[in-house]
Amino acid sequence: GENVEQHPSTLSVQEGDSAVIKCTYSDSASNYFPWYKQELGKGPQLIIDIRSNVGEKKDQRIAVTLNKTAKHFSLHITETQPEDSAVYFCAAAYNFNKFYFGSGTKLNVKP
Amino acid sequence: DTAVSQTPKYLVTQMGNDKSIKCEQNLGHDTMYWYKQDSKKFLKIMFSYNNKELIINETVPNRFSPKSPDKAHLNLHINSLELGDSAVYFCASTRDSGGTDTQYFGPGTRLTVL
Repeated sequence: GENVEQHPSTLSVQEGDSAVIKCTYSDSASNYFPWYKQELGKGPQLIIDIRSNVGEKKDQRIAVTLNKTAKHFSLHITETQPEDSAVYFCAAAYNFNKFYFGSGTKLNVKP
Repeated sequence: DTAVSQTPKYLVTQMGNDKSIKCEQNLGHDTMYWYKQDSKKFLKIMFSYNNKELIINETVPNRFSPKSPDKAHLNLHINSLELGDSAVYFCASTRDSGGTDTQYFGPGTRLTVL
């Protein structure tokens, strides 16, 4: 089965700095890579996703890059704000909607 | 309107009891899931149903039995609860079953087994 590894497990940045979270996956059949933000006491919410036919996608301060050859993808958050503080999960999905999640990154943005 | 809802939000019970968690989605999605999130925040898929049919069962003990009365509902029944079942359980749904669509998560049910 698929194995998704996520690093770092915790990340502390100063407000205004950039944050980068990296994930690797093992199954080359995976073709959908979403990123979720989970705030305390809530369910994960999709913030951005990328499909295997695209190398990069951007949405305002958030961007995701995908390197299919190396089987890794990354989340980039620029100009971080305190409200970006949360746990972020990457995931990889393929047949029959089988989603495999990374272990999560706790992002702390210091004001 | 809540897209994916779960009840109850909190559930505290004794070992050996049987309990159920309910999930409903009003998005018209065909596929629904149950995930378990442990104390280290690791999210692991348990089950997936597409149009009321089981399509994924990730080696979950048979004490856990999902039930889908219709495609908008996927309930989770747990028999003979054990201490290790304590976790947050999330329901989720997607529009299609091709592994290429956004998942919408419910708010979670925190289960504590004493």
